[in-house]
Amino acid sequence: SAVISQKPSRDICQRGTSLTIQCQVDSQVTMMFWYRQQPGQSLTLIATANQGSEATYESGFVIDKFPISRPNLTFSTLTVSNMSPEDSSIYLCSVGMATAGLEQFFGPGTRLTVL
Amino acid sequence: SQKIEQNSEALNIQEGKTATLTCNYTNYSPAYLQWYRQDPGRGPVFLLLIRENEKEKRKERLKVTFDTTLKQSLFHITASQPADSATYLCALDMTGGGNKLTFGTGTQLKVEL
Repeated sequence: SAVISQKPSRDICQRGTSLTIQCQVDSQVTMMFWYRQQPGQSLTLIATANQGSEATYESGFVIDKFPISRPNLTFSTLTVSNMSPEDSSIYLCSVGMATAGLEQFFGPGTRLTVL
Repeated sequence: SQKIEQNSEALNIQEGKTATLTCNYTNYSPAYLQWYRQDPGRGPVFLLLIRENEKEKRKERLKVTFDTTLKQSLFHITASQPADSATYLCALDMTGGGNKLTFGTGTQLKVEL
């Protein structure tokens, strides 16, 4: 299994600003994933973060709005840029580990409120 | 596009009974289907994975069935306990490699004394 931590756990931000969310894993993993969970909704995949290459974004998500860094095999950041109230969500990172099968392990999430 | 639907309404059951949650999908034939549990303020936690060639999978009080003809998975919790109260999510692997998960809408289960 993997232990994942995220920072910050929650934040309240003003519209037009940006917030960078950090995701740290206790072991090396190839792929890390970023999800968004809007209030009362299920999880939606934003992008896949690969070490050594650019992130792969899902339909409806763009790099200018959600830039991602993946400097090494245990760490990734997601930035929510030029925020609006519609960006208020829980943002979660997850990893998959070949040694653990096909399941994904999730971080505790970052609860973002944009005023 | 892929659509995954779960019981839209919350499910309330009495302690000791069996809870049955439904996951229906369209427009895809997944190689795997997974079930996760999510508690308030926490990330989802993996429970079970079932493959397309498996009809049923069990783990302690949990049982998952997978009917690829009906495009449906059922998730059962037997002898339910108040501690089982949570939101349960099904997720499809659309790539076959476990790399991308599409999640269902989730079903909130409440087990009452």
